[in-house]
Amino acid sequence: EDQVTQSPEALRLQEGESSSLNCSYTVSGLRGLFWYRQDPGKGPEFLFTLYSAGEEKEKERLKATLTKKESFLHITAPKPEDSATYLCATFAPLSGGSYIPTFGRGTSLIVHP
Amino acid sequence: EPEVTQTPSHQVTQMGQEVILRCVPISNHLYFYWYRQILGQKVEFLVSFYNNEISEKSEIFDDQFSVERPDGSNFTLKIRSTKLEDSAMYFCASSAGQGSEQYFGPGTRLTVT
Repeated sequence: EDQVTQSPEALRLQEGESSSLNCSYTVSGLRGLFWYRQDPGKGPEFLFTLYSAGEEKEKERLKATLTKKESFLHITAPKPEDSATYLCATFAPLSGGSYIPTFGRGTSLIVHP
Repeated sequence: EPEVTQTPSHQVTQMGQEVILRCVPISNHLYFYWYRQILGQKVEFLVSFYNNEISEKSEIFDDQFSVERPDGSNFTLKIRSTKLEDSAMYFCASSAGQGSEQYFGPGTRLTVT
């Protein structure tokens, strides 16, 4: 069972059409919820870190929010250059008490002009 | 702006051969990571490294893999006796603190034939 689940898997928007991406997590004792952007063939690019329920962070057309069970990445008036895969990640426990970074499968966003 | 660099960008090797993937983390970062991403799949954690030793590793990181920081700037991942299923993008990342945001390199595409 995935401990970090992202939805939808893919999203197509028209330029200017705002929407939200979801990341739900089942780990308890959250050690940070991270959002990354990944362009094809490239490494993930850090966007935001959220630590507490109710926390919000913004950068240009993106705003990330966090509740006790999920995080949303809101995209306002997207542009074609926002097209990418958006990944969320947190630290999930291994047996033995250690925690390792765990990524969701991502949401592939395409913004049409 | 400081960035993580990786070499080579693409490595082709024959099954059974050993490969070494190289990374130069951001200079004042203390934590280093290796991930892999099989085509079309999610980013998977392999290992983290701090203070010249492995701090965490996943189930994927078995005896076939090893990491080393041979000098003050490089961080390497060695894969022994490569298999077809080792074909993937391998990303190096670094962070300033434990549990803080990670900065990823551009990746090495490993193709095992």
